[in-house]
Amino acid sequence: DAGVTQSPTHLIKTRGQHVTLRCSPISGHKSVSWYQQVLGQGPQFIFQYYEKEERGRGNFPDRFSARQFPNYSSELNVNALLLGDSALYLCASSLGVGMNTGELFFGEGSRLTVL
Amino acid sequence: GQQLNQSPQSMFIQEGEDVSMNCTSSSIFNTWLWYKQDPGEGPVLLIALYKAGELTSNGRLTAQFGITRKDSFLNISASIPSDVGIYFCAGLMEYGNKLVFGAGTILRVKS
Repeated sequence: DAGVTQSPTHLIKTRGQHVTLRCSPISGHKSVSWYQQVLGQGPQFIFQYYEKEERGRGNFPDRFSARQFPNYSSELNVNALLLGDSALYLCASSLGVGMNTGELFFGEGSRLTVL
Repeated sequence: GQQLNQSPQSMFIQEGEDVSMNCTSSSIFNTWLWYKQDPGEGPVLLIALYKAGELTSNGRLTAQFGITRKDSFLNISASIPSDVGIYFCAGLMEYGNKLVFGAGTILRVKS
């Protein structure tokens, strides 16, 4: 069974550019969450989507946006990239939201480097 | 915001030894999860805990959900070299939609 798949795995951008990261959840999972992991820290919550609706947003600026498609895949967009956006961006899928569906399964991440 | 305090920050142990790490919080969580992350990869779910006081095992791993719902611990028995990695605790609040992660415990094993 395929796990959570993310693309691209690595990318390099320059300041001011924008980036789109993609995620396909585990088959049957309807919720996708995005996390940012800076080197040496635990993942930080960015967004959660369930049934194509945003269900939660972390403390990130409006330069970060996301959406979920009818097939439950998702995109994370970051505009006007800053050096500090360099991080591993993790996508996680789960069956739904809340208790007992809170087990998140992570992809391998997209490593973004901003120069 | 919610914070999880995870300790120790790092451990360097002899192969065969037991390992213990824990997480504490000032907030109540309804779900505790433990993940392991290898370099260049995403976190892998090890154990999920849903009830206060619950003790759950997964092979050599045992985790407990604290009675106060503000803490959890993870034990690894008879460590082996492939246990090397970063272990994260994560908490989910009632009706929550985001996991709050600890800063991680780096585990190194001497063979």
